[in-house]
Amino acid sequence: AQTVTQSQPEMSVQEAETVTLSCTYDTSESDYYLFWYKQPPSRQMILVIRQEAYKQQNATENRFSVNFQKAAKSFSLKISDSQLGDAAMYFCAYRETSGSRLTFGEGTQLTVNP
Amino acid sequence: SAVISQKPSRDICQRGTSLTIQCQVDSQVTMMFWYRQQPGQSLTLIATANQGSEATYESGFVIDKFPISRPNLTFSTLTVSNMSPEDSSIYLCSAGIRNQPQHFGDGTRLSIL
Repeated sequence: AQTVTQSQPEMSVQEAETVTLSCTYDTSESDYYLFWYKQPPSRQMILVIRQEAYKQQNATENRFSVNFQKAAKSFSLKISDSQLGDAAMYFCAYRETSGSRLTFGEGTQLTVNP
Repeated sequence: SAVISQKPSRDICQRGTSLTIQCQVDSQVTMMFWYRQQPGQSLTLIATANQGSEATYESGFVIDKFPISRPNLTFSTLTVSNMSPEDSSIYLCSAGIRNQPQHFGDGTRLSIL
């Protein structure tokens, strides 16, 4: 079974600085999707960024980028120029291409200090 | 991307009662999913709601406790039956078209007294 591990329960960053959140996963599949979701206190799950495993190029969405290392099964999220609104719980998630269910990591609580 | 409306947003219920949560999507979607998020924890998939057939439940979740309906391609309900304090959680609905990212409703915060 696929598993997703986030080894950092909590992280903090100063406003305007850069922070990296770690995620590793385990799968025997060669093709799959990886996601980062953000959950602020409002509890809404917001899609931050996605990565297709067959793409070598790392995904980027404005201040958010990933470092996808397929051989190492690592998928970290980098947040540049951190803003107070980035404070939230961040979940890494995995999905096979043949199915649609998501497997989530344990989450990383990000605090942004002014 | 699909817009998902979920209600109620929160409720406080008595032990032994049941509550039905509704999930409405603004477009037709192949699959709808129900997740549970216990306090301070990650999301766990309860079941996949299939239109026109029985829902597919994950290990540890049973139909008698969490009956699900999926009458059409835009709507689903999850019932939490015979509630106990251990059922206090956030319940989230999500939907996605094959190979597209899943999007989530705002969740239902359920407290059982």
